[in-house]
Amino acid sequence: NAGVTQTPKFRVLKTGQSMTLLCAQDMNHEYMYWYRQDPGMGLRLIHYSVGEGTTAKGEVPDGYNVSRLKKQNFLLGLESAAPSQTSVYFCASSPLRGWVEDNEQFFGPGTRLTVL
Amino acid sequence: GEDVEQSLFLSVREGDSSVINCTYTDSSSTYLYWYKQEPGAGLQLLTYIFSNMDMKQDQRLTVLLNKKDKHLSLRIADTQTGDSAIYFCALGYNKLIFGAGTRLAVHP
Repeated sequence: NAGVTQTPKFRVLKTGQSMTLLCAQDMNHEYMYWYRQDPGMGLRLIHYSVGEGTTAKGEVPDGYNVSRLKKQNFLLGLESAAPSQTSVYFCASSPLRGWVEDNEQFFGPGTRLTVL
Repeated sequence: GEDVEQSLFLSVREGDSSVINCTYTDSSSTYLYWYKQEPGAGLQLLTYIFSNMDMKQDQRLTVLLNKKDKHLSLRIADTQTGDSAIYFCALGYNKLIFGAGTRLAVHP
């Protein structure tokens, strides 16, 4: 199993450009998440999904959109990138079957995005 | 909302014990976690504790929970260079709230 993979690993955008980050998991997990990590601030939840076809807002959703058309994929879109969106983006997935052992979030390696 | 605070940096000598601390504001979280992030990688779950427990031991790791003071700590015994990483405490169930992370540096 590849676990959680993220594409691309690095990207540089100009202000106003758009892009989509792809997250894929092969563990048949129901829940998927997008976080951003900024220095000194830990991880903040952007959007998450509790299953195919569903999405919900997290702590910092503004400026981002997401889609979960297939259970294994969770896409994060930036329609008009801003310098404030320069960050490292992490995707995670979890089965969430009730026991905490089954609630572990598995993280991808991250995407480093710079917006100039 | 929930606030989770950690000191940002800890330096220890190889072989010593490391203690990483975390304080939080919301006492309703059922699960409290410690995640480890190695350079250039995503986070990996290290250990967790239920809110009805005071202590959990897992090999070199000891988690202590003081619910009265809303304080969580992670002790790493016999710290090795391979333990150098950023350690995050997190609270919640499906939507986790993370602290800012403590960077542990292990020197000879």
